[in-house]
Amino acid sequence: DAGITQSPRHKVTETGTPVTLRCHQTENHRYMYWYRQDPGHGLRLIHYSYGVKDTDKGEVSDGYSVSRSKTEDFLLTLESATSSQTSVYFCAISESSVYGYTFGSGTRLTVV
Amino acid sequence: RKEVEQDPGPFNVPEGATVAFNCTYSNSASQSFFWYRQDCRKEPKLLMSVYSSGNEDGRFTAQLNRASQYISLLIRDSKLSDSATYLCVVTAYSGAGSYQLTFGKGTKLSVIP
Repeated sequence: DAGITQSPRHKVTETGTPVTLRCHQTENHRYMYWYRQDPGHGLRLIHYSYGVKDTDKGEVSDGYSVSRSKTEDFLLTLESATSSQTSVYFCAISESSVYGYTFGSGTRLTVV
Repeated sequence: RKEVEQDPGPFNVPEGATVAFNCTYSNSASQSFFWYRQDCRKEPKLLMSVYSSGNEDGRFTAQLNRASQYISLLIRDSKLSDSATYLCVVTAYSGAGSYQLTFGKGTKLSVIP
């Protein structure tokens, strides 16, 4: 399997606090993505990156920001967590955006 | 209309049965097509790509009909280990030289002893 790890695996945080999730890859893939998965909605793209310092918004980007200062790391920040951001967050990587992705194991985030 | 639509199921089938999943997509400019498998509380994993000519991988056969914008997955001789949610995935150009995957919500399969 591709080398992709997410941290933390589980997190509980309070409403209004900032939260940062980390995605780390060892495959040197150009493309990295953050998705959230919720019952009834499936996987929805939050933000993606097509290179170092090159990022763009997905369909559900409000309340989230990202940074990619190195090829191997893609950070997702919830600026001020809300209960609606309780979800499972998946990071994915791809060598070429036209190919399929490899996903990390996910981060289960609960905002109370 | 949703971009990628799947029957949510669940499909409950006995071991050894043949089961078929269908998927339709709305973007006629879609480029690439995939089936992913997701086990409960796990990440999605690529099962197979789908080619216009149709393709087979062991007990799994995928078909694509571009004219009808329809994708299918056939599983023969179902095993207990096939129990999972199957996600239909479509790629389309999103600008800036990048493509994005759009996921269906998935079809849940339970194979029963």
